[in-house]
Amino acid sequence: DARVTQTPRHKVTEMGQEVTMRCQPILGHNTVFWYRQTMMQGLELLAYFRNRAPLDDSGMPKDRFSAEMPDATLATLKIQPSEPRDSAVYFCASGSGRGLEQYFGPGTRLTVT
Amino acid sequence: QKEVEQDPGPLSVPEGAIVSLNCTYSNSAFQYFMWYRQYSRKGPELLMYTYSSGNKEDGRFTAQVDKSSKYISLFIRDSQPSDSATYLCAMSSLGNRDDKIIFGKGTRLHILP
Repeated sequence: DARVTQTPRHKVTEMGQEVTMRCQPILGHNTVFWYRQTMMQGLELLAYFRNRAPLDDSGMPKDRFSAEMPDATLATLKIQPSEPRDSAVYFCASGSGRGLEQYFGPGTRLTVT
Repeated sequence: QKEVEQDPGPLSVPEGAIVSLNCTYSNSAFQYFMWYRQYSRKGPELLMYTYSSGNKEDGRFTAQVDKSSKYISLFIRDSQPSDSATYLCAMSSLGNRDDKIIFGKGTRLHILP
């Protein structure tokens, strides 16, 4: 049963600390997306990759967020320094081809105090 | 005007009823239209996607797109308590030069046994 995995599932940290979230896309999928979900804003696209190359990161605050794909089996999202307003659920999704059919991971619930 | 508008609900209907969920959008560049279902504390899962205008049916679910009115709908027939979830519409021009994917904020649906 192929699934997108995300670690950690929950993270509580203090303001100013670095946070790293990891995602393992489904094997064979070449498109990876990072989303952030809050009650106020809903689901927002932060960045996405195709064949490990970043295609769009316009939804991401560049001064503190960075997203990378060191290899085809790992995508990372880093926040440095973290702020309370970053508290949200962060989802990774993967897909093949154009990525229209996206499979979401279970999410990382981040709380920044 | 927001790019995608979706009534947040909650929408409560009795079991067995037909459910109608809707979204409106403003960007005529969107060509792909998706519906996702999200259970509490889970990642969204894709229900259906359609390209351009028309209807698409899958079991008890029917997706309808009217590009002239910039209006999309999801119908659920013979609704079941297990259909209780949040339903998010999404629209995309992925694969075109102006790559973008936008989600609605979701409609919470409760099916009453």
